[in-house]
Amino acid sequence: KAGVTQTPRYLIKTRGQQVTLSCSPISGHRSVSWYQQTPGQGLQFLFEYFSETQRNKGNFPGRFSGRQFSNSRSEMNVSTLELGDSALYLCASSLNYRGPAYEQYFGPGTRLTVT
Amino acid sequence: TQLLEQSPQFLSIQEGENLTVYCNSSSVFSSLQWYRQEPGEGPVLLVTVVTGGEVKKLKRLTFQFGDARKDSSLHITAAQPGDTGLYLCAGGPHTGNQFYFGTGTSLTVIP
Repeated sequence: KAGVTQTPRYLIKTRGQQVTLSCSPISGHRSVSWYQQTPGQGLQFLFEYFSETQRNKGNFPGRFSGRQFSNSRSEMNVSTLELGDSALYLCASSLNYRGPAYEQYFGPGTRLTVT
Repeated sequence: TQLLEQSPQFLSIQEGENLTVYCNSSSVFSSLQWYRQEPGEGPVLLVTVVTGGEVKKLKRLTFQFGDARKDSSLHITAAQPGDTGLYLCAGGPHTGNQFYFGTGTSLTVIP
């Protein structure tokens, strides 16, 4: 079974631009979460989608948004990019939403550099 | 302030040595997961523990969940260079019904 895929793997943008990142979960997985990873802050939760609905949201500004499609694929968008948005953006998929067997499987990430 | 604190932050040991990484919190978690992340890649799930006091073994790796479900440890026996990586613990669901990641332990095993 194929793992979580993320595209693109690397991206360079300038301040003020916007960017869209894509994530395809493991086949059959219905929940997708997004995380931002930086050396200073570690892994921080952005948001989680299940059945095309945002279920949880982390403490990030409204410039960060996302959506999930009927095939469970997800996209996240960052508008008006700032230098501090440079990070590894990770997508994780899970079979269902919560429950005792809840486990997250991560993709390789998209490395975003804002100049 | 991080919900989950890991120690040590950095660890460099010789091949064949044993080591223990700790993940501590003042909060109770329903479950706790351990991941290993290599440079440029996403974290890979190693284990999930859900019961207080639970011990799980994965070859040379032993994971324990504290009785009160507030802390966990990862013990590696006879470390090998392939164990090198960033070890992350994650607990949840917690505030906001989300999972929180620890601060991470960067392990380097020297051949």
